[in-house]
Amino acid sequence: DQQVKQNSPSLSVQEGRISILNCDYTNSMFDYFLWYKKYPAEGPTFLISISSIKDKNEDGRFTVFLNKSAKHLSLHIVPSQPGDSAVYFCAAWHDMRFGAGTRLTVKP
Amino acid sequence: KAGVTQTPRYLIKTRGQQVTLSCSPISGHRSVSWYQQTPGQGLQFLFEYFSETQRNKGNFPGRFSGRQFSNSRSEMNVSTLELGDSALYLCASSAHPSGSVQEQFFGPGTRLTVL
Repeated sequence: DQQVKQNSPSLSVQEGRISILNCDYTNSMFDYFLWYKKYPAEGPTFLISISSIKDKNEDGRFTVFLNKSAKHLSLHIVPSQPGDSAVYFCAAWHDMRFGAGTRLTVKP
Repeated sequence: KAGVTQTPRYLIKTRGQQVTLSCSPISGHRSVSWYQQTPGQGLQFLFEYFSETQRNKGNFPGRFSGRQFSNSRSEMNVSTLELGDSALYLCASSAHPSGSVQEQFFGPGTRLTVL
């Protein structure tokens, strides 16, 4: 069962513009959300997280927004850089569930 | 500080065989989790070990098993391999058990191909 869904398998943006990656979840027990970034041939690396008691968390160019009523979270990357090109996984915690990932390509 | 290491990095097996994958967590980390990554399915949780005890288990058949040793190293075993078991198997370590939300540090994975 896919309790965490990333409905866009890929996203392409121009360098300098905003990248918005979306994630939906179904289990209201999830109380902590994380984004991971994965380069080819490497394991995922932690990027940013947000607790369910917050609706926004910012870390440099990365901001995660959480809309609990909609069971939706998004990752904003501003400005996008070519080095951001990777697969991004959304994860939700009650027991660890991951989305299928979104491949982001940032074009110079 | 050395990261999470997984061996082997690549493995080719045939249907019906069994396989054992190994994971060494970051020094001092006692929690090890295993995930299966397949195209379109993303990362799926297999199980988590903490202090040699399995704490959580995902929705995988009994052919998938694991264990953890006193030095926190963990092994995952898959018996009677099926074609659908072809995947990247990732191990992640964290300092605390899954009951505390902590970032997990992932290894590079073992890519298993079943022919």
